[in-house]
Amino acid sequence: GDSVTQMEGPVTLSEEAFLTINCTYTATGYPSLFWYVQYPGEGLQLLLKATKADDKGSNKGFEATYRKETTSFHLEKGSVQVSDSAVYFCALLGAQKLVFGQGTRLTINP
Amino acid sequence: NAGVMQNPRHLVRRRGQEARLRCSPMKGHSHVYWYRQLPEEGLKFMVYLQKENIIDESGMPKERFSAEFPKEGPSILRIQQVVRGDSAAYFCASSPIDGSYEQYFGPGTRLTVT
Repeated sequence: GDSVTQMEGPVTLSEEAFLTINCTYTATGYPSLFWYVQYPGEGLQLLLKATKADDKGSNKGFEATYRKETTSFHLEKGSVQVSDSAVYFCALLGAQKLVFGQGTRLTINP
Repeated sequence: NAGVMQNPRHLVRRRGQEARLRCSPMKGHSHVYWYRQLPEEGLKFMVYLQKENIIDESGMPKERFSAEFPKEGPSILRIQQVVRGDSAAYFCASSPIDGSYEQYFGPGTRLTVT
């Protein structure tokens, strides 16, 4: 079945560092791909998405490119802030339901 | 436009009691999904409903769990005879059309079974 594998956390960085969180997927066909963010005690917020190969999703300085060849959708940000501290989930939409990775906890220190 | 609403936000139940979780989708959305997040894990799909229909319940435990989305009113996830292992965050999501569209999440209900 469909699955998503994320880079294991936790990840701790200093403010203004470069961020990469790896995400690879296994699916039949070409599903839409998403990154969601979860702040402490809250629900999931959609961060960005891509619906077809080579699409780049971007939002709030975060980017991810849908790579069909490597079945990947890595999340990147050039300069992280303390406010980016959260748990990040990669997900694919297959068979009318989201399949999530296990999540990566990110902590940014000032 | 109000987002997806869930209540209660926190629910404490003793073992053997029933838990009822409610979800009101975004206005204009007729598709509802329930996901469960166990501590320190990702979200797992439970059930997908449209008004008065269960479309996919492949992620629902076979016993004690049920879900409905009536013609009027919120979607309800019902857990009978709760056990400690049911302690988790339960999230509802909605989408405006079918499952090929992105889903918008509510704040979740955190169930604690004592």
